[in-house]
Amino acid sequence: DGGITQSPKYLFRKEGQNVTLSCEQNLNHDAMYWYRQDPGQGLRLIYYSQIVNDFQKGDIAEGYSVSREKKESFPLTVTSAQKNPTAFYLCASSPKSSGNTIYFGEGSWLTVV
Amino acid sequence: GQNIDQPTEMTATEGAIVQINCTYQTSGFNGLFWYQQHAGEAPTFLSYNVLDGLEEKGRFSSFLSRSKGYSYLLLKELQMKDSASYLCAPYNFNKFYFGSGTKLNVKP
Repeated sequence: DGGITQSPKYLFRKEGQNVTLSCEQNLNHDAMYWYRQDPGQGLRLIYYSQIVNDFQKGDIAEGYSVSREKKESFPLTVTSAQKNPTAFYLCASSPKSSGNTIYFGEGSWLTVV
Repeated sequence: GQNIDQPTEMTATEGAIVQINCTYQTSGFNGLFWYQQHAGEAPTFLSYNVLDGLEEKGRFSSFLSRSKGYSYLLLKELQMKDSASYLCAPYNFNKFYFGSGTKLNVKP
């Protein structure tokens, strides 16, 4: 089945540790996104990519890094520089053409311990 | 920059009609999406407006006025399963902006 797969679903990070969240899509979508959602809040854009080997910072990119080496993959690394990383992380993708909706993965819960 | 305003929370009765408003100011605009999000889950697509006017999809309708920077989502014949958050998302060239969402509580 086509879709977006995020892993892991739940992740615990120790202080000072980097962690990487995986996002894979088999929808042949050009654009991919990472959002962060804090409890009771909306979605805030971390990074997005419209084409392989290119990506742009969103509104809250500090403390995060991404890569887009393949069309289907857009991993997000939460670095130790991100001081408050506990949140729900959502990966999404959309076709390149304007007016198409964005499709979400099931999300990853990251907790600092 | 972008500014998106929605009411934080609303309560309505099963079988009733509810309207969730959204005002927005964004740098560029190509359309507006509405999403439903149940607690702890990913958002799911509800509707999309690119031109002014009303779009109807079953029990859900969405309205857009681009000149006023205003949209609303109308939910008819409310069901208990409609209890969720509803996110307004203006869109600009493959970049989606999300409001904080309106939490809708449907009571029997």
